[in-house]
Amino acid sequence: GENVEQHPSTLSVQEGDSAVIKCTYSDSASNYFPWYKQELGKGPQLIIDIRSNVGEKKDQRIAVTLNKTAKHFSLHITETQPEDSAVYFCAASPKAAGNKLTFGGGTRVLVKP
Amino acid sequence: DAGVIQSPRHEVTEMGQEVTLRCKPISGHDYLFWYRQTMMRGLELLIYFNNNVPIDDSGMPEDRFSAKMPNASFSTLKIQPSEPRDSAVYFCASSLGGQAYTFGSGTRLTVV
Repeated sequence: GENVEQHPSTLSVQEGDSAVIKCTYSDSASNYFPWYKQELGKGPQLIIDIRSNVGEKKDQRIAVTLNKTAKHFSLHITETQPEDSAVYFCAASPKAAGNKLTFGGGTRVLVKP
Repeated sequence: DAGVIQSPRHEVTEMGQEVTLRCKPISGHDYLFWYRQTMMRGLELLIYFNNNVPIDDSGMPEDRFSAKMPNASFSTLKIQPSEPRDSAVYFCASSLGGQAYTFGSGTRLTVV
């Protein structure tokens, strides 16, 4: 089955700086790559997603890039703010797996004021 | 829309007892997923339904776990008998078309 590796496991940045989280996946048939943000005591919330026919997608301060050849994708957060502090999860979904998402291990992001 | 609603938010039970977790998906969504989250194993898919039919239960850890979806607006995850290693946060998520999940707030289960 699909295996998703996520790095780093923790990330501390100064407010206003950028944060980058990287994920690799194993199944070349994967075609959907969402990112979720989980705040303390809450369920994961979808913040952005990308499909395999697109190389990059932006939504205000967040962007995701996808390199299908290398089988990796990244989340970029610019001009970080304290409210960006949370755990972020990447995920991948192969066509053959129906609509199952396999999640990475998560990255705890701390934005220091 | 109130989102995905899970109950209870917290459950503390003794080993050997039956536990039932409940989920109300977003109206109109045709997929429902049950995930378990632990520090050691992260987010693991247990089972998912499409149009109330179980599609893949390969993530259900053992026969002590069972899930049902009697109609489009309700699902349960039952553990019988419960064990301390079942302690985790259990999430229900729903989606339209199988992607872009919306997660509930989870049920924190503690088995003592």
